[in-house]
Amino acid sequence: QVQLVQSGTEVKKPGASVKVSCKASGYSFITYGISWVRQAPGQGLEWMGWITAYNGDTNYSQKLQGRVTMTTDTSTSTAYMELRSLRSDDTAVYYCARPRTAATGTDFDYWGQGTLVTVSS
Amino acid sequence: SYELTQPPSVSVSPGQTASITCSGDKLGDRYASWYQQKPGQSPVLVIYQDVKRPSGIPERFSGSNSGNTATLTISGTQAMDEADYYCQAWDSSTAVFGTGTKVTVL
Repeated sequence: QVQLVQSGTEVKKPGASVKVSCKASGYSFITYGISWVRQAPGQGLEWMGWITAYNGDTNYSQKLQGRVTMTTDTSTSTAYMELRSLRSDDTAVYYCARPRTAATGTDFDYWGQGTLVTVSS
Repeated sequence: SYELTQPPSVSVSPGQTASITCSGDKLGDRYASWYQQKPGQSPVLVIYQDVKRPSGIPERFSGSNSGNTATLTISGTQAMDEADYYCQAWDSSTAVFGTGTKVTVL
């Protein structure tokens, strides 16, 4: 069965960086992309960007462009999301999500369990 | 940037029908998806391509999309359907989520 397992809770100081991992299993990792979505406490879902696993092409949200980098390691079927220059409003649960089909522009049928990132001095 | 607007809350009695709207410019020209999220859990896809249900999603969940509005309908609402619901669509290679609707089953 398809599973996306994310790394654990992080606590960072303002200005620091965080790197969250998402290990995929149960499907051909290189066939699909991975999107990252975050949710601030008590707020809605915010799409951060996506990466195609087989060639590393990325598309980031305009809001986060320049601060976020998404990568994949096809040897371990793991996707990574690094966010730099952290601010308090980056405090959120970060999710990885797999699209339902290999095509871009589809919905997300599998989600990781979420990783809480807290930014506090 | 493209925006999807939902009502903040919808209340429904058990067994009745709940309708959640999602408004966006010419939303009917693109596919809408819907996600259910319960407290402390990851979102779950309940409707995709406007009207389709993933396997395992009960038949009481249905969707429509026309003009500027997509609608998620929950027929015969059960207590277990109490959750936050988000619509989602794509605009110029960017995924956009709606503002979210809290469904309360009274």
